[in-house]
Amino acid sequence: DADVTQTPRNRITKTGKRIMLECSQTKGHDRMYWYRQDPGLGLRLIYYSFDVKDINKGEISDGYSVSRQAQAKFSLSLESAIPNQTALYFCATSDSGQGDRDEQFFGPGTRLTVL
Amino acid sequence: AQSVTQLGSHVSVSEGALVLLRCNYSSSVPPYLFWYVQYPNQGLQLLLKYTTGATLVKGINGFEAEFKKSETSFHLTKPSAHMSDAAEYFCAVSPGGYQKVTFGTGTKLQVIP
Repeated sequence: DADVTQTPRNRITKTGKRIMLECSQTKGHDRMYWYRQDPGLGLRLIYYSFDVKDINKGEISDGYSVSRQAQAKFSLSLESAIPNQTALYFCATSDSGQGDRDEQFFGPGTRLTVL
Repeated sequence: AQSVTQLGSHVSVSEGALVLLRCNYSSSVPPYLFWYVQYPNQGLQLLLKYTTGATLVKGINGFEAEFKKSETSFHLTKPSAHMSDAAEYFCAVSPGGYQKVTFGTGTKLQVIP
């Protein structure tokens, strides 16, 4: 079974709709991240959470919100989707403990299309 | 603040040829450096990382990278390209501790038979 799972894997929606992307992990990691990937722009950080009570904006948080429901779950919401939010979205986790500090483990991605 | 520059968004090599993907970074403190690979329709996975110690780092699938502080570089190499190496490669930098990782814009590697 995958350590980091994302649902849904693909989603097509319309402008103005509210969308939630979910991420779950079984790695026991404390840190979780949401990125979006666009061609030629690499990965850009949307939000990150270093523990359940810690939520931080990344470089492109406008139009997005997140919720860390538990250590293992981190969801991303688009309150009112717009076409330029069409992208590939990745959830990632990392462990603040010694040894593999800052190595991130990625989910398989969610391809979101906003029409 | 840290940043990463990957030179060349697309690189093509012949099967069996040397692979060289370039990465330069800036960081105000000694960095942790990473190379990740993304195969089509998949998430990113770690190829190799430099944290401390030996500056030549070996990773999976025959890849290696050398941390050169004087050149602020962390280029990725593989002596002989294989068709299965075709993917997108991302360099990343982190100052460590409670700091987030910054990714480069990626380099797509094409391997020509």
